[in-house]
Amino acid sequence: AQTVTQSQPEMSVQEAETVTLSCTYDTSESDYYLFWYKQPPSRQMILVIRQEAYKQQNATENRFSVNFQKAAKSFSLKISDSQLGDAAMYFCAYSQHSGGSNYKLTFGKGTLLTVNP
Amino acid sequence: ETGVTQTPRHLVMGMTNKKSLKCEQHLGHNAMYWYKQSAKKPLELMFVYSLEERVENNSVPSRFSPECPNSSHLFLHLHTLQPEDSALYLCASSQDWGLPNQPQHFGDGTRLSIL
Repeated sequence: AQTVTQSQPEMSVQEAETVTLSCTYDTSESDYYLFWYKQPPSRQMILVIRQEAYKQQNATENRFSVNFQKAAKSFSLKISDSQLGDAAMYFCAYSQHSGGSNYKLTFGKGTLLTVNP
Repeated sequence: ETGVTQTPRHLVMGMTNKKSLKCEQHLGHNAMYWYKQSAKKPLELMFVYSLEERVENNSVPSRFSPECPNSSHLFLHLHTLQPEDSALYLCASSQDWGLPNQPQHFGDGTRLSIL
């Protein structure tokens, strides 16, 4: 079974600085998707960034980028120029590529990010 | 404004009560999901509906009973709950079920407290 591990329950960063959130996963599949979701205090979970395992290029969305290390099964999220609005719980998630009846999003426990002014 | 709306936002109930959680999505999606979010635990998928048919039931106790009358609405009927059922219950939707490249859109959740 696939598992997702976020080893940092909490992180903090100064406004305008850069922070990296860690995520590792375990799978026997060769093709899959990885996601970072953000859940602010208002609780609506939103998708931040998505990576397809067969793509070697790291995904980027504005100030958010990932460092995808397939061999190491590592998928870290880098937030540059941190803003107060980035404060949230961040969840790493995995889904296999094939979809269908086996499709399921597997989440990590989350990392609570605090942004200090 | 969220495309997925959940009501109520907060619910406190006794162990013998019967209540229902409601979810409505305005995105024209075909798949809807119920998740349970407990403190310091990963999100747990409870149920999945695709085109109003249940396609996933993750060994959820029978005191949780889902209903999907149409593709826009999803309910979670609760009865005889236990204190360990206190959690945030999240509803989500996606365009279709079983396609991993489609993101799920989440509601704000219902914070459930069992007395």
